[in-house]
Amino acid sequence: QSALTQPASVSGSPGQSITISCTGTSSDIGGHNYVSWYQQYPGKAPKLMIYGVNNRPSGVSNRFSGSKSGNTASLTISGLQAEDEADYYCNSYTSSNTPPYVFGTGTKVTVL
Amino acid sequence: QVQLVQFGAEVKKPGASVKVSCKASGYTFSGYFMHWVRQAPGQGLEWIGWINPDTGDTDYARNFEGWVTMTRDTSITTVYMELSRLRSDDTAVYYCAREGWNYYFDYWGQGSLVTVSS
Repeated sequence: QSALTQPASVSGSPGQSITISCTGTSSDIGGHNYVSWYQQYPGKAPKLMIYGVNNRPSGVSNRFSGSKSGNTASLTISGLQAEDEADYYCNSYTSSNTPPYVFGTGTKVTVL
Repeated sequence: QVQLVQFGAEVKKPGASVKVSCKASGYTFSGYFMHWVRQAPGQGLEWIGWINPDTGDTDYARNFEGWVTMTRDTSITTVYMELSRLRSDDTAVYYCAREGWNYYFDYWGQGSLVTVSS
């Protein structure tokens, strides 16, 4: 299965904003509004941060926001904090045959 | 509250099978699809498939078809994933994850480490 493309790493200083991109195709990101983002700390299970491109589950900080343009989705973390240092994965539903769900390659966020 | 509980770790020899369980609680078990996702050491997330706990219907990623089987036991609100003919590159943490209303995974189990080694 072809993974969505994310930068391997993104870094920023506390208080800054960073954006993580997630590039797919017209069969997945470009064709649907079913993009979600997950945060994962080492040795822990992923946690849902954004669903439906730009919706936050209850309890997720409003410093996290999502957007989409064409075949690329983005996760923006504003007011970067030390606790945001983690791995982040995007996911999209895809209509290009099996599998119907594809994850991104993952991005390591480092707070400098 | 919603909880998905998975148990510990397993060590298997190449060619063997493993059956991983995921006990759900805190919601209507039959109302939400359950997915399985794996993560090899130091690698990203890989979707394996889903099961509809209501009907038992399943859908697997193409590269898992023929050697993964997902089942459920509604009496104990538990889903299972069995992998056969294990190879060393099946060594990974296997997660169950509940699907929310529209193609996202809102709750995850803590993961089960499966190590395949001779």
